[in-house]
Amino acid sequence: RKEVEQDPGPFNVPEGATVAFNCTYSNSASQSFFWYRQDCRKEPKLLMSVYSSGNEDGRFTAQLNRASQYISLLIRDSKLSDSATYLCVVNRYNQGGKLIFGQGTELSVKP
Amino acid sequence: NAGVTQTPKFRVLKTGQSMTLLCAQDMNHEYMYWYRQDPGMGLRLIHYSVGEGTTAKGEVPDGYNVSRLKKQNFLLGLESAAPSQTSVYFCASSYTPNTEAFFGQGTRLTVV
Repeated sequence: RKEVEQDPGPFNVPEGATVAFNCTYSNSASQSFFWYRQDCRKEPKLLMSVYSSGNEDGRFTAQLNRASQYISLLIRDSKLSDSATYLCVVNRYNQGGKLIFGQGTELSVKP
Repeated sequence: NAGVTQTPKFRVLKTGQSMTLLCAQDMNHEYMYWYRQDPGMGLRLIHYSVGEGTTAKGEVPDGYNVSRLKKQNFLLGLESAAPSQTSVYFCASSYTPNTEAFFGQGTRLTVV
């Protein structure tokens, strides 16, 4: 079993739709959580960090449930420019900072 | 601002050849990482470093070696390349494990 698992994709949605991505992690010692975005054949870039209390950045909302070892990302009012692969990332700081990525979920927003 | 720079960007190797990928960062980051990305597999951690002079194994370290002799540089070596090492390699760095990791543009390596 992979340490970080994401919903299999791709997600194909119309503009304006709301889409949710889910991610689970297996190591309860994980301490930091992130969502990264990767455009085709480019390097990943940080979308947002995920805090225990949940956090929002414009149309994007991230949630963390430590008890269930579950992370989510909600995108409201999808834009064409949101089309990308979204990567869930977990860091086990107490083991020297291993930064572990999920396999990614591809999103395609259509007109 | 250079950020994280990887060299080379593309390379074709023959089976059994060796090569070194260079990652350089100018942000004074302590943590540096090497990943490989294959279709449907996401990014898999090869090796990482928590500071100058330190290295540690990641998820898929076999067939690779690394060195971090200077804080700003993290080298990834392939001693005897195999076709299974055909991949896109990304280097990343961060100030702490809890802060944003910045990535290089990637190295596309083909082993024939």
